[in-house]
Amino acid sequence: GEDVEQSLFLSVREGDSSVINCTYTDSSSTYLYWYKQEPGAGLQLLTYIFSNMDMKQDQRLTVLLNKKDKHLSLRIADTQTGDSAIYFCAESMNTGRRALTFGSGTRLQVQP
Amino acid sequence: DAGVIQSPRHEVTEMGQEVTLRCKPISGHNSLFWYRQTMMRGLELLIYFNNNVPIDDSGMPEDRFSAKMPNASFSTLKIQPSEPRDSAVYFCASSVQGSNQPQHFGDGTRLSIL
Repeated sequence: GEDVEQSLFLSVREGDSSVINCTYTDSSSTYLYWYKQEPGAGLQLLTYIFSNMDMKQDQRLTVLLNKKDKHLSLRIADTQTGDSAIYFCAESMNTGRRALTFGSGTRLQVQP
Repeated sequence: DAGVIQSPRHEVTEMGQEVTLRCKPISGHNSLFWYRQTMMRGLELLIYFNNNVPIDDSGMPEDRFSAKMPNASFSTLKIQPSEPRDSAVYFCASSVQGSNQPQHFGDGTRLSIL
């Protein structure tokens, strides 16, 4: 079955790196996504990675995928107060059902 | 470029009333998704459409919920009659059809049923 898990909360100081972790259970996952949700707003797509990749970097964001352990992480370098939000990990599978399965979200708090 | 547009942004109504949520997907996207977000259950898929045709409605809670997509640029999610437990944020998302295409979300409709 599908299950995506994340820790609920992370607090970092401005300028430090943040690492948000996610585990998933379905080995048929093909794409894994990171979305950001600010208060009162929708989900903003940050980045995504195909399951045959180990790493993807996009400016301050680095995604690492350990397919063997079914572990995904999002690293935010030089974290800013504007990065404070809830971060959702999501998976999709190369099957007929195209819906995303979301984790519960990790609330990132950046302290000045 | 305009993103996914949802209306209304907020809706407060009394239980028993009919509620209609609206969504305009990104132009050129032919897959549309309705999700519901609550504190207890997180983000859940309700239904999705490919080329205006409902493909998977297994997430629709019960017969009080219905969704339509009369054309490629408009979809509605209707709740009739509404109940307090329907209070949630409802998101619409769209994408180009294909398993590797990311979904883009609207800002959601915050629904409160009194």
